Amino acid sequence: LAKTTQPISMDSYEGQEVNITCSHNNIATNDYITWYQQFPSQGPRFIIQGYKTKVTNEVASLFIPADRKSSTLSLPRVSLSDTAVYYCLVGDGVSGGYNKLIFGAGTRLAVHP
Amino acid sequence: DTGVSQDPRHKITKRGQNVTFRCDPISEHNRLYWYRQTLGQGPEFLTYFQNEAQLEKSRLLSDRFSAERPKGSFSTLEIQRTEQGDSAMYLCASSLNGVTDTQYFGPGTRLTVL
Repeated sequence: LAKTTQPISMDSYEGQEVNITCSHNNIATNDYITWYQQFPSQGPRFIIQGYKTKVTNEVASLFIPADRKSSTLSLPRVSLSDTAVYYCLVGDGVSGGYNKLIFGAGTRLAVHP
Repeated sequence: DTGVSQDPRHKITKRGQNVTFRCDPISEHNRLYWYRQTLGQGPEFLTYFQNEAQLEKSRLLSDRFSAERPKGSFSTLEIQRTEQGDSAMYLCASSLNGVTDTQYFGPGTRLTVL
């Protein structure tokens, strides 16, 4: 079973900021939080990854509170091309083992004109 | 670095036929994963290679499935005696052995079994 819970779908409009929150109440000390984006008929694309506090890259920001039981992916000023499925995953990398990703159903984001 | 590539992108076959897919990981990535994705679902883990060694196989990988990674470079996934239930997107991902093991996915191979 996926270790995360996220909304099934969200709607937004072009130019708005979109925040997708993911719950991971049972996150382990070694777990990192990773977000992927997937368009129809394509493989998942890595967006951002973090362990605690805030991480920002050219695409998105990831906010992680101190208890790490949730995280929020923030997409600034979305466009129609951001319409996709977004997956939140937690994985155990620090233990030295490989990371068998367990995907949930993801959040289907629809951006409207 | 051109990313993970997969070939073919699409494959249509008749039930009972054998099919083989190829994955070329990002160069120098020593970890390689195969996943399967059906419509409306997230990808499901199938198998994992560390260099040329296949270290884990999911229960989803029946005896009709076999994967190889000779010389620790490209990998192949073969399905023998295909069934309609094998229709899915087959995804390959690679990663560099590191703390977070961030995986980068290829475009996938869409298999349709008639």
